[in-house]
Amino acid sequence: QVQLVQSGAEVKKPGASVKVSCKTSGYTLTDYYMHWVRQAPGQGLEWMGWINPNSGATNYVQKFQGRVTLTRDTSISAAYMEMNRLTSDDTAFYYCAREGDGYDSFDLWGQGTLVTVSS
Amino acid sequence: QSVLTQPPSVSGAPGQRVTISCTGSRSNIGAGYAVHWYQQLPGAAPKLLIYGNNIRPSGVPDRFSGSKSGTSASLAITGLQAEDEAYYYCQSFDISPSASRVFGGGTKLTVL
Repeated sequence: QVQLVQSGAEVKKPGASVKVSCKTSGYTLTDYYMHWVRQAPGQGLEWMGWINPNSGATNYVQKFQGRVTLTRDTSISAAYMEMNRLTSDDTAFYYCAREGDGYDSFDLWGQGTLVTVSS
Repeated sequence: QSVLTQPPSVSGAPGQRVTISCTGSRSNIGAGYAVHWYQQLPGAAPKLLIYGNNIRPSGVPDRFSGSKSGTSASLAITGLQAEDEAYYYCQSFDISPSASRVFGGGTKLTVL
């Protein structure tokens, strides 16, 4: 079954870091770009960046540059999103999403990982 | 504030037709980039509904259709069903340096 399975919910204190994983199954990680999208409670979708799992190349939206790092481990078919210097504004669901063959749309999504930042 | 503009909400009775608009600019939709639509049911991750302006992935009912003209796009849903009640998001590519993928703010569809 083709799917993306993300790691479980996290609770972090302000200033801490978090690393969310996204494991692929049913297809080869390196065949498709992986994107990360976040959604604050009751809010819309916000694109964060992508990683080319084949080369490791990354691209980030300007607001996250320097604070977010996208990586991958091809040996275990996993992609990762690490964010540091967390604030309460970072409380959100974080989704990995595969860029499919159709005009750069996101054809496969993980179930989401809730990151709560609270003192 | 989202780069693509959608109405916050739309509603319709079962069996009716509704449309959701998505307005962009010359740096995204108007530049010729494709528009994609996602459906997000309560408590679930988004799901691809329409890609490439008007192409339905396998398994998406033909009640859903998309169109694009100029700097705008639309999602139409015919024969509304209770299960269609969800949030709908449009997405495209933007040539500005701040972000390459942009979303609309989302539209809540209520089936009356």
